[in-house]
Amino acid sequence: LAKTTQPISMDSYEGQEVNITCSHNNIATNDYITWYQQFPSQGPRFIIQGYKTKVTNEVASLFIPADRKSSTLSLPRVSLSDTAVYYCLVGSNFGNEKLTFGTGTRLTIIP
Amino acid sequence: NAGVTQTPKFQVLKTGQSMTLQCAQDMNHEYMSWYRQDPGMGLRLIHYSVGAGITDQGEVPNGYNVSRSTTEDFPLRLLSAAPSQTSVYFCASRPLDSYEQYFGPGTRLTVT
Repeated sequence: LAKTTQPISMDSYEGQEVNITCSHNNIATNDYITWYQQFPSQGPRFIIQGYKTKVTNEVASLFIPADRKSSTLSLPRVSLSDTAVYYCLVGSNFGNEKLTFGTGTRLTIIP
Repeated sequence: NAGVTQTPKFQVLKTGQSMTLQCAQDMNHEYMSWYRQDPGMGLRLIHYSVGAGITDQGEVPNGYNVSRSTTEDFPLRLLSAAPSQTSVYFCASRPLDSYEQYFGPGTRLTVT
C-alpha cells in the first residue's frame, strides 16, 4: 500500500470551499485513491474514490493530476458539521488489500 | 438492513481477563476487518478476513485472535487483557471489489 502524507490539521470558515491535499509519490499504476471521513466517537465513513482526473459525488470532489502523485479532496461550502478527521488511502488489490489508515487531517470549521 | 453491528458498546476488563468482541454484518460482504483506535490516533488494523475460513494478520495482531466461520460474523478475542489494549475497537466490512468499507459503531474497551 503506497504511503500517503497529509497535513495534520486545517481550519476553515463556514461557507468556504476546503481543499485537503494528499501526497502519494509512490503510487502504483493500478492504485486507486480513497477518502474517508470520521466524526468523533464514530467509525470512518467512505466519502469518495477515484483513479484519475476528477470524480464528483453529492458530498465532495476528488481531483487527481495526470502524474497521480497527489490528490485533492474538495468540500464545497463547508458547515460546522464537516468538522471531522479526513483520511486518504491508496491501494489496488481490492480483494486482499489491507486497508491501513494514517493519522489523517483534522479539519475544524469555524463559525 | 442493519449494516455492521458490534457488541458490546462498552466494556471494562481487569488485567488478565479474556473476552470476545462481537461483529456481524448483513450485507454479504466477503471482506471483514478489525481496527483499534487509540485517543487522538488513526486506526490500526488488527486482523482481517477475505471470506469464511480465511483470516490474516494486520499491523497489530499480538494479543488478539479471530475466526471466520460464517460470512456474517467476525469475532475478535482478547486472550489476556492488558492495559495497553485500552482502546476503541471498530469492525468493518466491504465487498472484495471495492474500497468502500462500512464501519460499525465501535466498542470502547477499558482494561484496568
